[in-house]
Amino acid sequence: QSVLTQPPSVSAAPGQKVTISCSGSSSNIGNNYVSWYQQLPGTAPKLLIYDNGKRPSGIPDRFSGSKSGTSATLGITGLQTGDEADYYCGTWDSSLSAWVFGGGTKLTVL
Amino acid sequence: QLQLQESGPGLVKPSETLSLNCTVSGGSISSRTYYWGWIRQPPGKGLEWIGSIHYSGRNYSNPSLKSRVTMSVDTSKNQFSVKLGSVTAADTAVYYCVSLLVGPTLPYFDYWGQGTLVTVSS
Repeated sequence: QSVLTQPPSVSAAPGQKVTISCSGSSSNIGNNYVSWYQQLPGTAPKLLIYDNGKRPSGIPDRFSGSKSGTSATLGITGLQTGDEADYYCGTWDSSLSAWVFGGGTKLTVL
Repeated sequence: QLQLQESGPGLVKPSETLSLNCTVSGGSISSRTYYWGWIRQPPGKGLEWIGSIHYSGRNYSNPSLKSRVTMSVDTSKNQFSVKLGSVTAADTAVYYCVSLLVGPTLPYFDYWGQGTLVTVSS
C-alpha cells in the first residue's frame, strides 16, 4: 500500500488530454513539493516535473503539473503513442522521514 | 549531464548481504548540491526509496530498511555504495542509483541509473 494514492490506469486517444491524480496528506504533499517521473516500458524512471509544476530542460510543455492542498495532478496534452508509460508522483513525508511515491499510473494511448 | 551506472552481483543468497556500487560520470560526487541515493522496484511493482548520502557522509535511509542499510561514498573513485543485510526474497528488485539535486525547494531525483536486477535466491 503506497503512501501516495494514484489511479492504477488511465487511457485516452491520441491528441487528447489526460490527467493523473496523486493524493496524499498534510505530512507529505500538503507541506512539500511534488515531483513526477515517467517510466517508459523496460527503462528507468525519468524526471518529468519538479517543484509541483516545473519542467526540466528537454521536457515538452505538453506535460504540466499542479498542486492543491494535499493533492497533485499531472497533465498531458496532445497525447502521443510514445507517452505510453507508467507515471509516478513522489515527495518527502515529514512524519515517516522518508521519500514516498505513489503506486504508479499506467497510461494507455488508445 | 550526469550519468550513473550500477554494478554488483545479480544473485544473492537469502540471509546474505546485497552490495551495489554506483559510478558517477559527468560530474563530481563531491558536489555540495547533490545527495546520492538508491531506489528499488520489485518486479511489476512501484518505487521504494532506500536511502541517500552526501559526500560529507551525512546520510539518511528509509526507516523500514534502516537497520539493514549501510551507505558509503568513495570520492577517489567517484562512486557511492549501498549494502543491504539479511536479505530475503522480498528484496528481489531492480535497484536504481539516483542523484538528488538539492536546491532552494525540496530536492528531487534528477538523474537515474539504468538499474540492475538483483535476485535473492538460493
